[in-house]
Order: sequence, then structure tokens, then C-alpha cells
Amino acid sequence: DIVMTQSPDSLAVSLGERATINCKSSQSVLYSSNNKNYLAWYQQKPGQPPKLLISWASTRESGVPDRFSGSGSGTDFTLSISSLQAEDVAVYYCQQYCSTLPTFGQGTKVEIK
Amino acid sequence: EVQLLESGGGLVQPGGSLRLSCATSGFTFSTYAINWVRQAPGKGLEWVSGFGGSGGSTYYADSVKGRFTISRDTSKNTLYLQMNSLRAEDTALYYCAKGALVSFWRAAFDIWGQGTMVTVSS
Repeated sequence: DIVMTQSPDSLAVSLGERATINCKSSQSVLYSSNNKNYLAWYQQKPGQPPKLLISWASTRESGVPDRFSGSGSGTDFTLSISSLQAEDVAVYYCQQYCSTLPTFGQGTKVEIK
Repeated sequence: EVQLLESGGGLVQPGGSLRLSCATSGFTFSTYAINWVRQAPGKGLEWVSGFGGSGGSTYYADSVKGRFTISRDTSKNTLYLQMNSLRAEDTALYYCAKGALVSFWRAAFDIWGQGTMVTVSS
């Protein structure tokens, strides 16, 4: 199985400041046949199911604010929130869907400083 | 509107069985992969099982293989998870989640249900 490791486990950021979450996979999730990274980011607010923010490492879902961006390739990925808003307080998960058995990172809790 | 609605959770004793259902609407059920993902209280997300789209292949996490069985009824647009030999560590909120791509197994999960709670305790 591909192991996904996120860092940090939690972070506190001031309103309007940048938040950065890292995700590392134990093996590459870049599919050579189409040059796509099979990596997604989800946001989960308390009491709610996860919401897909980004797929293919950097493609924002429809309706997701452009302050959210994803980057990286191969085994190292980043989710950035350029200007943190109060409604962005949540736990964020990365997920690989490259292997037959998808796996999630352990989650990163984002709070307001 | 695409919707997923889980049901069937509850309290069950260790060693017992439970069948979860995921009723879907708003999309062509048989052509998308649908998955079960669980979340233990206060913990992260764990993918449990999935049913492929058109091909109908099934997949299981090692932690449930041999105990859980996923199936679907295309006439009812419903996915099931039969859970046998339940253990305390199976206690979790169970979500169903739809794959984002037609006919492809390897896809992100774009729509999630609200979940159904399973508690395994004596």
C-alpha cells in the first residue's frame, strides 16, 4: 500500500495569512502513461463529510475559491491557502488514487491564530 | 442533483453482522465507482472498500478483507456493505463516496454522503 504522510499535524495561522500543508507519498503517484499525479485534497469541517477541493494534484473543483491551490509531483505535494479565512478552519486530507487501493494522509488541522 | 444516502448503521456486539446501504440518485449508478470510507471517532479517513464502475470489480482494504463484502443492485441504484465478524476497531462513521470519473476506478471521490454510524460494543 502507498503510505501518505502529511505535515504538520496541525497549524495555526492568522486571518489573511498563508497556510501550507505538505503531503508525501511512499512511492510516486505520477502515472507515466498520461503524466498525471493521482493526488487529491479534501476539506472536512466539523460534523460534515469531506469535500473534494483539488484533484490531479492541482485542479480545483468547481466552486472552490482560488485561494486554494495544489502543487507538487511524484511523491511531494503541497496544499496552500493563500489568505486564510475564518471559514477555512477544518481538517485537510490528501489522498492518493494511483494504486488499486486508495489511501489517505492522517489529516492536518488548520486553526486561526 | 447527485445524492448519496447511507443507512443501516447501529449498535452490534463483537462478532456480529450488519449490512449498510447507500442509496444514490442523480447519476448513472452503474458507470461510476462507489466506495465506502470510514472514520473512527476523532480519527482520520480510512478507505474500506469499493465497487468499480462499468467493469464491476470489487476492492477491499486489508483490514476488512474476508469479513466485509461489497455489492450493488443496479435496479435500485444502491450499494451495500455486508459486515461480518465485527470488531471493536470497526466502530466508525461509514461514508459512501462516488468516484469522479465515468468507468474509471482510479479517481478522486467527488460526492460524499452524510454517513451512518456503526458501533461495535458489548
